[in-house]
Amino acid sequence: DVKVTQSSRYLVKRTGEKVFLECVQDMDHENMFWYRQDPGLGLRLIYFSYDVKMKEKGDIPEGYSVSREKKERFSLILESASTNQTSMYLCASSPPSSGFDNEQFFGPGTRLTVL
Amino acid sequence: GESVGLHLPTLSVQEGDNSIINCAYSNSASDYFIWYKQESGKGPQFIIDIRSNMDKRQGQRVTVLLNKTVKHLSLQIAATQPGDSAVYFCAEESGGSYIPTFGRGTSLIVHP
Repeated sequence: DVKVTQSSRYLVKRTGEKVFLECVQDMDHENMFWYRQDPGLGLRLIYFSYDVKMKEKGDIPEGYSVSREKKERFSLILESASTNQTSMYLCASSPPSSGFDNEQFFGPGTRLTVL
Repeated sequence: GESVGLHLPTLSVQEGDNSIINCAYSNSASDYFIWYKQESGKGPQFIIDIRSNMDKRQGQRVTVLLNKTVKHLSLQIAATQPGDSAVYFCAEESGGSYIPTFGRGTSLIVHP
């Protein structure tokens, strides 16, 4: 059974703290993604990576950075957490684009609260 | 359906009924479409996909219809069950990109 795992289901941090969200996939996928999900706004792409050490900005990269040192692991970093970064964070992975079944596989999400 | 403010559009059905969830997409160049299901407390999960050279594709109890003329996508669920209760998202991709654009979602509530 293919899996995307995220390091925490729930996280509470204080304003100004540095926060690390970890994501690991066991499908040998090239592509990995970080989204945030807020009520009524759907999924918004923060950053993505199409290979080790490669990263690209998504739609809302401000206040975030990422790291991909190994193919299976993609980390999201909040350099100085702020209350407006309270959200559900979803990690996903996908194989290279080809034909059908090009879907993304999602982790269970991390609900981050910044106080 | 389109969301209004912070509230998701909601579809309520009785168990056993057929459900139709609609999605209007924005990019006329989109050539690949996916439906995802997100149950409470979980990440989205793939249901079915379709490419723009087709107008219909069927899976197990689900059918996706694509109308490129009006840029409309629908997901039909036959004999809806309580386990189908979830938020459903459509997503579109274009030009071989592996970066989908997600819709805001529709909440499906199935009453036993």
